[in-house]
Amino acid sequence: ETGVTQTPRHLVMGMTNKKSLKCEQHLGHNAMYWYKQSAKKPLELMFVYNFKEQTENNSVPSRFSPECPNSSHLFLHLHTLQPEDSALYLCASSQEAGDKGYEQYFGPGTRLTVT
Amino acid sequence: GQNIDQPTEMTATEGAIVQINCTYQTSGFNGLFWYQQHAGEAPTFLSYNVLDGLEEKGRFSSFLSRSKGYSYLLLKELQMKDSASYLCAVRDGDYKLSFGAGTTVTVRA
Repeated sequence: ETGVTQTPRHLVMGMTNKKSLKCEQHLGHNAMYWYKQSAKKPLELMFVYNFKEQTENNSVPSRFSPECPNSSHLFLHLHTLQPEDSALYLCASSQEAGDKGYEQYFGPGTRLTVT
Repeated sequence: GQNIDQPTEMTATEGAIVQINCTYQTSGFNGLFWYQQHAGEAPTFLSYNVLDGLEEKGRFSSFLSRSKGYSYLLLKELQMKDSASYLCAVRDGDYKLSFGAGTTVTVRA
């Protein structure tokens, strides 16, 4: 595997379900990100991890819970979601977060539908 | 919050040139990125500008004017495969990246 991978690619879940999204980067990066992309809207930053420490929580509801066990893996645990949470969830990584001019590399995303 | 504006859609002919403008108002500035995103795929990095001026990379060029809060992405010798969404993203004074809604470019034969 190369680059940034995400599983599953598609997920349909009910509002009472609990599921997790997984992201893995094979680039040796130290920063990982979760974004939400809704139709016709800008990418919204959700969480940032730098060297496994969460450095950003962009006012995300608690029904989204991130986990970063090491610099290569990032999870997004989902529970009690709402239909408006249906979107494409993108994971990204970069060399570091913060004051470095490093571009972010994105995974293919998980298309989430909440019914 | 941050404000990043770019046109919603643009259409151009194969072989032509298209310029996608991006204006921004952010609390501080630490660089501007352009990404390309094909339908159903991940955004991929195109360019990065932090100083004023033009950065050229093959058929793609990106320009920045910090005093005007303005950037453009220039796509030359358009090819059908250039049909995609182009995202402007600005890193603010806290080094947070904010994205515009994207410009969908359609290249016609």
